[in-house]
Amino acid sequence: AQTVTQSQPEMSVQEAETVTLSCTYDTSESDYYLFWYKQPPSRQMILVIRQEAYKQQNATENRFSVNFQKAAKSFSLKISDSQLGDAAMYFCAYRGYSSNTGKLIFGQGTTLQVKP
Amino acid sequence: NAGVTQTPKFQVLKTGQSMTLQCAQDMNHNSMYWYRQDPGMGLRLIYYSASEGTTDKGEVPNGYNVSRLNKREFSLRLESAAPSQTSVYFCASKPTSGTDTQYFGPGTRLTVL
Repeated sequence: AQTVTQSQPEMSVQEAETVTLSCTYDTSESDYYLFWYKQPPSRQMILVIRQEAYKQQNATENRFSVNFQKAAKSFSLKISDSQLGDAAMYFCAYRGYSSNTGKLIFGQGTTLQVKP
Repeated sequence: NAGVTQTPKFQVLKTGQSMTLQCAQDMNHNSMYWYRQDPGMGLRLIYYSASEGTTDKGEVPNGYNVSRLNKREFSLRLESAAPSQTSVYFCASKPTSGTDTQYFGPGTRLTVL
């Protein structure tokens, strides 16, 4: 069975600085999708970035980028120029490409604090 | 478009009571999901519906039932609530093709006393 692990329950960063959140996963599949979701205090789950495993190029969305290491089964999220609005819980999630259900497997989450 | 909506936003039940959590989406998505979120455990899949008329168990289905009423609506029922079902419940939907992104509702915070 696939698993997703986020080993950092809490992280903090100074405003305008860069922070990296870690995520590792375990799977026997060769094709899959990986996601980072943001959950602010409002509880709304917001997609931050997604990565297809067959793509070698790391995904980027404005200040958010990933470091996808397929062999190491690692998928970290880098937030550059951190802003107060980035404070939230961040979840890493996995979905197998062959899964016709589309269900996501989530990590435990990392709470990010942004200090002014 | 409202996206994915859930009702109620908050609910307090006594042990043994029943209730139904409602979810609706207006994006014409085929697939819908129910997750629960507990501290330190991330989100776990309870049930899902790959298309109208079908439902399947996820990782933690015990104590729950679901109904895919039509393409828009997917409800989650607790027949006899237990304190272990205290959690935040999220509904999500996804189109069959194109983007693989799941879109989440705002969640329901349920407390069972």
